[in-house]
Amino acid sequence: GQNIDQPTEMTATEGAIVQINCTYQTSGFNGLFWYQQHAGEAPTFLSYNVLDGLEEKGRFSSFLSRSKGYSYLLLKELQMKDSASYLCAAKDGDYKLSFGAGTTVTVRA
Amino acid sequence: SQTIHQWPATLVQPVGSPLSLECTVEGTSNPNLYWYRQAAGRGLQLLFYSVGIGQISSEVPQNLSASRPQDRQFILSSKKLLLSDSGFYLCAWAGQGEAQPQHFGDGTRLSIL
Repeated sequence: GQNIDQPTEMTATEGAIVQINCTYQTSGFNGLFWYQQHAGEAPTFLSYNVLDGLEEKGRFSSFLSRSKGYSYLLLKELQMKDSASYLCAAKDGDYKLSFGAGTTVTVRA
Repeated sequence: SQTIHQWPATLVQPVGSPLSLECTVEGTSNPNLYWYRQAAGRGLQLLFYSVGIGQISSEVPQNLSASRPQDRQFILSSKKLLLSDSGFYLCAWAGQGEAQPQHFGDGTRLSIL
């Protein structure tokens, strides 16, 4: 099974940087995904890590340490539209994702 | 390009009534298909997944069932809804391969009265 932990809420100012941490415990880890979910909408895919290190995609970066069971999502140059819930999900085996409860990020002007 | 369609967008049903939610995928073949439920302010709970026609894996014991009558069609059903079945139901598909992300439909918001 999987246990995924991430903070419930974070608040930051427009233009700032926010780092959302995620820890996981798994029996068959096969990659770590991050999703963004705006209120009332479906999640959309942001990033994927399977090897240790940093993956950068524009203003968003994601990091993975397999030995520590740890990942983070880094949001740079925050914009108001980045206010959303960010979901950490660990892949278990070939098919299944186990999702954390999500971190609600509020961006203030 | 691939698209996923899920309907209806919202549904209000009385306790004890049946349920059928449908999801179809276009633009890909042999996708892995998934049904999730998300309670208000909670994470996504995997209900069922399917890796091929007629193949259904159930993750949580409950009064729901799933079927995959065609390669790109996934149906979530119940014979008798409970109050606890209220929630946001999401269908998702993924291509074959470990790095393939799951892509979600727009979801169905189900309210049980």
